[in-house]
Amino acid sequence: QQPVQSPQAVILREGEDAVINCSSSKALYSVHWYRQKHGEAPVFLMILLKGGEQKGHEKISASFNEKKQQSSLYLTASQLSYSGTYFCGTEMGGGSNYKLTFGKGTLLTVNP
Amino acid sequence: SAVISQKPSRDICQRGTSLTIQCQVDSQVTMMFWYRQQPGQSLTLIATANQGSEATYESGFVIDKFPISRPNLTFSTLTVSNMSPEDSSIYLCSAGQGDQPQHFGDGTRLSIL
Repeated sequence: QQPVQSPQAVILREGEDAVINCSSSKALYSVHWYRQKHGEAPVFLMILLKGGEQKGHEKISASFNEKKQQSSLYLTASQLSYSGTYFCGTEMGGGSNYKLTFGKGTLLTVNP
Repeated sequence: SAVISQKPSRDICQRGTSLTIQCQVDSQVTMMFWYRQQPGQSLTLIATANQGSEATYESGFVIDKFPISRPNLTFSTLTVSNMSPEDSSIYLCSAGQGDQPQHFGDGTRLSIL
């Protein structure tokens, strides 16, 4: 079951904040967030585990609401380097059933 | 984090031919995965490469079309067989285990003429 990401696209000016959401209709074990720049491989940002705490580093953080099966990625004081497509990948099984289903992505553009 | 090397980085192939993509990880990992990504689209899991056993394929992908090998804990190959223009895509391998993140190779950009 593919998770639903919103918004599909967002345009920011440098220094503005953004929130990207990822929701699933199925119970989740973990949510993984990636950023992919054009022509490059996806780069891991963070992982949210069931029962875990909100993760974050510097100006990018994320939360996981287990009751709603939703995760949100928070980008604060955006920089030009934040531009790219953000994907959430959801894992339902955990343990040996360790496979990710990715959302359709959110295209983030940060302008000067 | 694991460093993943994938080759070739790109190729242009004739329809009806086959291409084998290699994926090398710099450390032993339990699980390796193969994805396909159309330009501007999401990542679609083709299969999980299992060491010592057959790969586990996702719905819509079959072993005859995408045979996979996993001879050890650091290496895997994906073959795209009897290629048609519809197989033109980016193919990515990734590796991970347990509650650790998956890391991706740089991908193979495949064009079929």
